[in-house]
Formats: sequence, C-alpha cells, structure tokens
Amino acid sequence: GAVVSQHPSWVICKSGTSVKIECRSLDFQATTMFWYRQFPKQSLMLMATSNEGSKATYEQGVEKDKFLINHASLTLSTLTVTSAHPEDSSFYICSARDGGGYSYEQYFGPGTRLTVT
Amino acid sequence: LAKTTQPISMDSYEGQEVNITCSHNNIATNDYITWYQQFPSQGPRFIIQGYKTKVTNEVASLFIPADRKSSTLSLPRVSLSDTAVYYCLVGPRGDKIIFGKGTRLHILP
Repeated sequence: GAVVSQHPSWVICKSGTSVKIECRSLDFQATTMFWYRQFPKQSLMLMATSNEGSKATYEQGVEKDKFLINHASLTLSTLTVTSAHPEDSSFYICSARDGGGYSYEQYFGPGTRLTVT
Repeated sequence: LAKTTQPISMDSYEGQEVNITCSHNNIATNDYITWYQQFPSQGPRFIIQGYKTKVTNEVASLFIPADRKSSTLSLPRVSLSDTAVYYCLVGPRGDKIIFGKGTRLHILP
C-alpha cells in the first residue's frame, strides 16, 4: 500500500524558535496533502489543505503566519511552526491523497511529536 | 460534511465480535462512509469504506442500511491489539476529512 513518511518523528525545541516538519509520499504522487494536529486524548483537528504549487488553505482559527505550509513538489509538503511556544506542543500528522487514477484514498503519516520548552 | 455520532467508548473481550455503530442522519447522496483506526502516537489507518449495503475486507465488515443514516463497523474475533480509537467519517470521496471524537475501544483479556 501507499506509504507516507514524516520527519522528524519527534522534536524538542526552545520557545521562540522555528521547527520544520516534512511529509513525504514515498510511492505515489500526492496532489493534495493535509495537516492535522492532535492533543492528548483528543481527536485530530484539520489545520490546512495544501495543493502542489499553490497556497495552502487554512481552516478557521489556524494562524497561517504561524504555521507555514509549503507543498513544493508532488511528494513533499512541509509544515513550519514559527516562533514556537509551549502551547504549540502537540502531535502533528499529515496525510496525502493519491492523485493517480480514480483512487481518492488518503494515507496518513506516522505523526511528529513536537515539544516546545 | 455530514455530522457523525458514535459511542465515546466501548469495552469487549478477546475473541468476541465487536460492532460499533455510527449515526449520520444528514448523509448526502455523494457521501461515502469510511472508518479509520488509530493507535496512540500513530497516524490513523484506513479500515474500510462503503456506500451502501455491505462491504467486507480481511479486517472488518461494514453494514449500511438502505436509508444510509447509520452504519455499523464489525470487527470479528477481536484481540488485545485491536484496542484503539475508531473514527467514523462521512463525506465525498477525496474531500478533506474532518474527524469526530471517535470511539475508544478497549479489549479485555
């Protein structure tokens, strides 16, 4: 099956610094990728939708200047958390939609645990 | 996107069949029903998807009545490793996924 990877799997950073998380589709081309965040014991919350070569569409309440998303190629999307604060500590998960054929399957990455100290 | 309602939590025992029901009264004509499984600190994993009647794969079965206002995920002979959160999602195929609260399934020995 299709595989989506994320890097890093976990990261610790100091308050005020920026952190970049990568999401890659390993064996398919992803025209659309999605970014979620998940707090402990809670459901996934959709942050934004990114389409290759265009600006991301952010969900209501998500600060686009704080969470920078770049979908530069059909296999890579990045999420940069700028000027991170402890409240940004969360589990960040990406998913990628297979743009080939008639498959609309979404495949999820393993997630990235961000801890801001 | 149609709103879904599913039990917050369920307990069952190893070897039993587990049925998790999801209500989606406002399902639209072009909506599909999809179930995902999530283990702690992992991304969700696709289980099964259907539009009507019954769908079965190697992992589970999905039962959808004619009015499509509800659906039931059936997990045959569960094991401890099936302890996870199960999400019922309703929407057009390929559309963005909005997760509800899910059902925490706890399998007991």
